[in-house]
Amino acid sequence: DQQVKQNSPSLSVQEGRISILNCDYTNSMFDYFLWYKKYPAEGPTFLISISSIKDKNEDGRFTVFLNKSAKHLSLHIVPSQPGDSAVYFCAADGTDKLIFGTGTRLQVFP
Amino acid sequence: SAVISQKPSRDICQRGTSLTIQCQVDSQVTMMFWYRQQPGQSLTLIATANQGSEATYESGFVIDKFPISRPNLTFSTLTVSNMSPEDSSIYLCSVGTLNTEAFFGQGTRLTVV
Repeated sequence: DQQVKQNSPSLSVQEGRISILNCDYTNSMFDYFLWYKKYPAEGPTFLISISSIKDKNEDGRFTVFLNKSAKHLSLHIVPSQPGDSAVYFCAADGTDKLIFGTGTRLQVFP
Repeated sequence: SAVISQKPSRDICQRGTSLTIQCQVDSQVTMMFWYRQQPGQSLTLIATANQGSEATYESGFVIDKFPISRPNLTFSTLTVSNMSPEDSSIYLCSVGTLNTEAFFGQGTRLTVV
């Protein structure tokens, strides 16, 4: 039972354009969500988060949108840069643990 | 923030053997977490390790297979016991409190042959 889903395993975007990574969840009790970025041979690093009391949180080039009624969140990266190429995980703050999606591999090409 | 040193970074092991992964944090933390990421899968929590008490294992993971030590507030080990090829994964330790960002070690890439 996958409570957090990232249905797109990969995404390819041209440099300078917008990258949109999507995440869906099933448990309406989740009230805090996080995005992590993972480079090969490294552990995930925190990117941005959002509380369910908000529908948007912005940090530089990264913006996360939350649609509670649809149980959907998305990460927007604009403009995309080649250094953004990585695997992105969304996570939900469960009762006593983080629940991760399967990740989306983003490739930003020149 | 926290800096986490995890080792080994990778290993190739024979089936039937055991491997112990170490996780050292540069500050005292109450909760440490061990995750597994199998190829093409999400990060899956194995167990939560709190100092002074036995680790709490998630469904599908047992102490005999993944014994964990937490001797103090800055260190933990995870042992993968009696390994089989199905144990080939990336293993990650993590620290953090709930409802905030978590910090991860660089991971241990384990290949069982």
